[in-house]
Amino acid sequence: GQNIDQPTEMTATEGAIVQINCTYQTSGFNGLFWYQQHAGEAPTFLSYNVLDGLEEKGRFSSFLSRSKGYSYLLLKELQMKDSASYLCAVVDSNYQLIWGAGTKLIIKP
Amino acid sequence: IAGITQAPTSQILAAGRRMTLRCTQDMRHNAMYWYRQDLGLGLRLIHYSNTAGTTGKGEVPDGYSVSRANTDDFPLTLASAVPSQTSVYFCASSDSAGANTDTQYFGPGTRLTVL
Repeated sequence: GQNIDQPTEMTATEGAIVQINCTYQTSGFNGLFWYQQHAGEAPTFLSYNVLDGLEEKGRFSSFLSRSKGYSYLLLKELQMKDSASYLCAVVDSNYQLIWGAGTKLIIKP
Repeated sequence: IAGITQAPTSQILAAGRRMTLRCTQDMRHNAMYWYRQDLGLGLRLIHYSNTAGTTGKGEVPDGYSVSRANTDDFPLTLASAVPSQTSVYFCASSDSAGANTDTQYFGPGTRLTVL
């Protein structure tokens, strides 16, 4: 079967750095998305990786290792507004989008 | 530009009733999707449409139907609601026609409770 694993919940301190991991076992791979979802709101796009390596976008960076079936989202200089759920999603060989259950990130002052 | 709108925002429905959730996008996107989101589970695809006039079944299509008469609108119908259909429903759209490698843009969601 196809599976996406993310930690259910993480806690971090304002101003710190946090890394949210995502591991996947899918039938093929055609890209990996990260979305942010604030409580009670819609998911919004953060990043898309299809090649190995790190992509930086302001305070957020996303890393991909296709050989390890692994990605992480790195958030720097955490702000209270970063409290949200972070969803990992993989495009498989049939171009189906497989979603993880999401990681709820709690930021403490 | 509104993006994607959904209606209603929330609804409480008696079991056995018929209900249509509305979704409209103004981005002229080819593909549209309906998901349900339940606590502890990832987004699950109910139905999708790669282009106007075509629809397809997702992971959890039973009890739901869709239509895509034009580019902008993609309504989701529950023919006879059951309590297990209590969920938050998100409509989304993307510019791609089935490749799923384009960003999906989500509507604000409809919170549905079936009693």
